Amino acid sequence: DVKVTQSSRYLVKRTGEKVFLECVQDMDHENMFWYRQDPGLGLRLIYFSYDVKMKEKGDIPEGYSVSREKKERFSLILESASTNQTSMYLCASSFSDRGGYTFGSGTRLTVV
Amino acid sequence: QKEVEQNSGPLSVPEGAIASLNCTYSDRVSQSFFWYRQYSGKSPELIMSIYSNGDKEDGRFTAQLNKASQYVSLLIRDSQPSDSATYLCAVNMKGGSQGNLIFGKGTKLSVKP
Repeated sequence: DVKVTQSSRYLVKRTGEKVFLECVQDMDHENMFWYRQDPGLGLRLIYFSYDVKMKEKGDIPEGYSVSREKKERFSLILESASTNQTSMYLCASSFSDRGGYTFGSGTRLTVV
Repeated sequence: QKEVEQNSGPLSVPEGAIASLNCTYSDRVSQSFFWYRQYSGKSPELIMSIYSNGDKEDGRFTAQLNKASQYVSLLIRDSQPSDSATYLCAVNMKGGSQGNLIFGKGTKLSVKP
């Protein structure tokens, strides 16, 4: 089974901190994605990547950046955390552009 | 704007009944369709995929696709309380700023014992 691992299940950070969320997949998937999920708003795509060192903005990239130095790892960076970034963050990967996504277990981030 | 629409629910069915979840999508050239199940506080889990018109069955789950009507549905037979979750419909639509897979906001299903 494909495994997508997110480094933290729960995280509490202070306003203004730089926050790193790590995601690793073990099945050589080309495509990786970062979403946030908030009640009533559904899944919203932050950034995605189809290859090493490439990235594309999703619907809500403001306040975030990403890094993909290795194929298996896709990191989400909150440059200066704010309270409105409190959310569930979900990483996903897929093998092809026709395939479904496999999600990690999610990181529930609280910014205080 | 590429969209996937679902009724938010909640959809409430008695245990043992058939639950019917529906989804419409905006892009006529879409090729891949998926249903995810998401329990409260957990991440989405892929339960069904369908690529061609008609029905696809997997255990108690049946996915139905009608590309002419741009409509995909999920039937859950003999519903169990453990099926209570939010079900997300996802459709592959190439291009745009949303990657390839567009998700609906989900339908919350409640199965009453």
